[in-house]
Amino acid sequence: GENVEQHPSTLSVQEGDSAVIKCTYSDSASNYFPWYKQELGKRPQLIIDIRSNVGEKKDQRIAVTLNKTAKHFSLHITETQPEDSAVYFCAASMGGGSYIPTFGRGTSLIVHP
Amino acid sequence: ETGVTQSPTHLIKTRGQQVTLRCSSQSGHNTVSWYQQALGQGPQFIFQYYREEENGRGNFPPRFSGLQFPNYSSELNVNALELDDSALYLCASSWSLEGARNTEAFFGQGTRLTVV
Repeated sequence: GENVEQHPSTLSVQEGDSAVIKCTYSDSASNYFPWYKQELGKRPQLIIDIRSNVGEKKDQRIAVTLNKTAKHFSLHITETQPEDSAVYFCAASMGGGSYIPTFGRGTSLIVHP
Repeated sequence: ETGVTQSPTHLIKTRGQQVTLRCSSQSGHNTVSWYQQALGQGPQFIFQYYREEENGRGNFPPRFSGLQFPNYSSELNVNALELDDSALYLCASSWSLEGARNTEAFFGQGTRLTVV
């Protein structure tokens, strides 16, 4: 089955800095890569996703890049703000009739004001 | 808010007991997936239901079972509870069509299960 590795487990930055979280996956058949943000005590919320037919996607301060050859994808947050502090999860899945993502173990992002 | 609701929000059970957790999917969604999230970990896939049938299962023992109803709501049942079953149980709903690309999944707020 799919295996997703996520690094780092903890990331501490100053407000205004950029943050990068990296994930690798094992199954070359995976073609959908969502990122979720989970604040303490709350549900995971989809913040951005990318499909394997594109290499990069951007939404305001958040961007995701995908390297299919190397089987890794990354989340980039620019101009970080204290409200970006949360746990971020990457996931990989195959599309088609089933959407069953395999999640990474999460990155705890702390943005210091 | 996503429109995916779970009940109850918190639950305390004794080892060996049975528990049923419930999930109402978002309007228009036909697929429900269940996840177990232990403290400090990512969600682990338990199983998925599509059109009232199990459509994939993760590495969980048979004492984890489920149902999906005609209105696409779902239940997760866990028998013979163990201490390690203590976790946040999340359900996620999405829309699926055979052979077609799925929509993204939206999570409910979760049920915090504590087994003592």
